[in-house]
Amino acid sequence: EVQFVESGGGLVQPGASLKLSCVDSGFTFSDYWMSWVRQTPGKTMEWIGDIKYDGSYTKYAPSLENRFTISRDNAKSTLYLQMSNVRSEDTATYYCTRVNIGGYRDYWGQGVMVTVSS
Amino acid sequence: DVVLTQSPATLSVTPGDRISLSCRASESVGTYLHWYQQRPNESPRLLIKYASQSISGLPSRFSGSGSGTDFTLSINGVELEDLSIYYCQQCDSLPFTFGSGTKLEIK
Repeated sequence: EVQFVESGGGLVQPGASLKLSCVDSGFTFSDYWMSWVRQTPGKTMEWIGDIKYDGSYTKYAPSLENRFTISRDNAKSTLYLQMSNVRSEDTATYYCTRVNIGGYRDYWGQGVMVTVSS
Repeated sequence: DVVLTQSPATLSVTPGDRISLSCRASESVGTYLHWYQQRPNESPRLLIKYASQSISGLPSRFSGSGSGTDFTLSINGVELEDLSIYYCQQCDSLPFTFGSGTKLEIK
């Protein structure tokens, strides 16, 4: 069974940094592109970025690529999202997803909440 | 960026209704258009890939159609478990974008 376990969220002050993790199981992690998607409290969905199966290439939403970095450790079957200089508008639930050819996301984690507030 | 406009924003339904949800793209995305369902307090899940291909195990009442800029998700005989928010997403051009969603609620 494919499973994702996300962690690292919580309450963080504006301007701080935060790193989210997503540990995956039930499939060969190193065979798949992976992705982060976020959902605001108002239910708006936003694509953050994708990372290639070997970690050699990433693509990001232009509005986020200067502050967010996606990485992975295939030996640990873990996906990461490094967030820096966070702002109130980064308050959201963050999902890790598996990506298939054609871009569809066939599995989603349970989501981890990040709240940016002083 | 490709803007996906979903309509209606909210749809009030009665169980058994046949309904259609629209997703319109600001430019052609071919068939790189995927549909997701999000039930209350759950993560999104994939329903339809490439505009019209149902995923394995999807109830037959769900179907997708369209190409280019106009897409439709249909439910033939709504059931209570279908009360959710439905999102479309395009993966034809960067940045990949989502529609704002259509919320299905009970009339």
